Amino acid sequence: GENVGLHLPTLSVQEGDNSIINCAYSNSASDYFIWYKQESGKGPQFIIDIRSNMDKRQGQRVTVLLNKTVKHLSLQIAATQPGDSAVYFCAETDTDKLIFGTGTRLQVFP
Amino acid sequence: ETGVTQTPRHLVMGMTNKKSLKCEQHLGHNAMYWYKQSAKKPLELMFVYNFKEQTENNSVPSRFSPECPNSSHLFLHLHTLQPEDSALYLCASSQTYPGTRSGNTIYFGEGSWLTVV
Repeated sequence: GENVGLHLPTLSVQEGDNSIINCAYSNSASDYFIWYKQESGKGPQFIIDIRSNMDKRQGQRVTVLLNKTVKHLSLQIAATQPGDSAVYFCAETDTDKLIFGTGTRLQVFP
Repeated sequence: ETGVTQTPRHLVMGMTNKKSLKCEQHLGHNAMYWYKQSAKKPLELMFVYNFKEQTENNSVPSRFSPECPNSSHLFLHLHTLQPEDSALYLCASSQTYPGTRSGNTIYFGEGSWLTVV
């Protein structure tokens, strides 16, 4: 099957720094991508999405970058806060069935 | 609060028990989903219902039996489960299915932690 995965299982950043979470995907036909945040004891929460006709999309303190050439997706969080501590998942699809990555745990320390 | 409520939040059951997980959404959505989340594994889609009709069954064993009496409620009936079925079961909803690529965001509940002993 197709593989959507994350380079690092855990990312530790200092409060106030920017965070970059990466995701690789292998299905070149995927045309829609989503980032989810899952806090401890909670379900995944939609953060931001991007379509394949774009290479960058910005939200509030978050930016998603898509590089279709190398099939790479990243989530940038500006001025990381303690409340950003969570597991972050990327998901991709070309058929409406979302394929999720295993997740990266973001730890924010003071 | 995402508008998707799951009960119970925690469940411990024996392999011969019969139990059910319940999900209710207050978002006016027409599609509801069951996902399984195991440790260190990606989220796995189990079932999708759209307007009360099952549209996806992702090769789920028959010991998991979904029920969707209306667009707001979804159940997962559990019978003779195995220890490897222990996981977090997530319910989700969206406006319709298909529709993910059209921007129909999927909203997740907080999950039901299931332990099979």
